[in-house]
Amino acid sequence: GQQVMQIPQYQHVQEGEDFTTYCNSSTTLSNIQWYKQRPGGHPVFLIQLVKSGEVKKQKRLTFQFGEAKKNSSLHITATQTTDVGTYFCAGLAGSYQLTFGKGTKLSVIP
Amino acid sequence: DGGITQSPKYLFRKEGQNVTLSCEQNLNHDAMYWYRQDPGQGLRLIYYSQIVNDFQKGDIAEGYSVSREKKESFPLTVTSAQKNPTAFYLCASSIGSGGYTDTQYFGPGTRLTVL
Repeated sequence: GQQVMQIPQYQHVQEGEDFTTYCNSSTTLSNIQWYKQRPGGHPVFLIQLVKSGEVKKQKRLTFQFGEAKKNSSLHITATQTTDVGTYFCAGLAGSYQLTFGKGTKLSVIP
Repeated sequence: DGGITQSPKYLFRKEGQNVTLSCEQNLNHDAMYWYRQDPGQGLRLIYYSQIVNDFQKGDIAEGYSVSREKKESFPLTVTSAQKNPTAFYLCASSIGSGGYTDTQYFGPGTRLTVL
């Protein structure tokens, strides 16, 4: 079945440093979605990428979808303590079933 | 106030007992989902439903059962056949327009502990 690999599993950064998490699918995706889960909370939708090579920005967050639609990345510039949480990518490959990566847990040291 | 509600937030049960987790949404969404989250495992799909009176198994359906008698409600029963039921259970819903651009909205989750 479809697999979505996400690395790294954990990332500790000093406040102000940049952060990137990478997502790689075993199959070509229709779209990829990114979610953020704060400690003790539930996943919250951040963004969806649909087109090959698409790049979207939300303030300090930059999301990219690969040309082959099999990989994606989330980059945070100048991290803040409010960025703490686990970031999940989730890929859709022609069905109703999203396949989630295992997530990258971000810790920000003040 | 629209959204997805799950109750209770914390649930304790003895081993061998069935337990039903509730999930209600007032977003008028057609599709609903149940996920299980374990530390370091991400979210794994248990069951999903695209329409009332219809549902499909996800990746880890064994030991679980669901029903979808109403559009707003999608309860999950964790049966005694589930070998490792202790986990964080998340319910989600989406418009259900066809999956291609469907984003999911999650409830607050129920943390089930089986003693």
